[in-house]
Amino acid sequence: EADIYQTPRYLVIGTGKKITLECSQTMGHDKMYWYQQDPGMELHLIHYSYGVNSTEKGDLSSESTVSRIRTEHFPLTLESARPSHTSQYLCASTPRGGLQETQYFGPGTRLLVL
Amino acid sequence: LAKTTQPISMDSYEGQEVNITCSHNNIATNDYITWYQQFPSQGPRFIIQGYKTKVTNEVASLFIPADRKSSTLSLPRVSLSDTAVYYCLAGAGSYQLTFGKGTKLSVIP
Repeated sequence: EADIYQTPRYLVIGTGKKITLECSQTMGHDKMYWYQQDPGMELHLIHYSYGVNSTEKGDLSSESTVSRIRTEHFPLTLESARPSHTSQYLCASTPRGGLQETQYFGPGTRLLVL
Repeated sequence: LAKTTQPISMDSYEGQEVNITCSHNNIATNDYITWYQQFPSQGPRFIIQGYKTKVTNEVASLFIPADRKSSTLSLPRVSLSDTAVYYCLAGAGSYQLTFGKGTKLSVIP
């Protein structure tokens, strides 16, 4: 099973603040993803990366940005948080050579913007 | 990525075998079938993946008929801790995973 970590697990922050959600994996996976999920609702892909210096937007438009400077690290940044950003953010990765349908998820970050 | 259809919800008593069927009529030749489990407030967990016939691991079995237009996830002797949402996906190498609404399984004591 993959080791994939997300910090913080919970974050309450005021409108207008800049935040960065951290995601790290220790398995050398080349593909990484960020999803957004509201309670009881479907997951939506917001960003993905095929490797270092590769980032793409997913099917759900998001005001967040991502970077992939190191293989193991895929942080997500919101420059100015708004209440509409309140959600759960899930990071995932796929093993090298594995099907992209095989994704290992982190525990998630629950974000509340006041 | 093929469109999948699965029941919205299912109930089962503890100790019973649960079978969740997923329909994927437009599955492509290269597509694999993958199932995930998600508990509340957690990320989905990969359960099992297969291409044809039967795959079994320590958690579940996956049955895929010859025409591959459907698949059945089988959970043996469920317990309360198996209460979760189960997602079926059919695809091959697409970054655009579509989890859909899944099947909400409720295990009753």
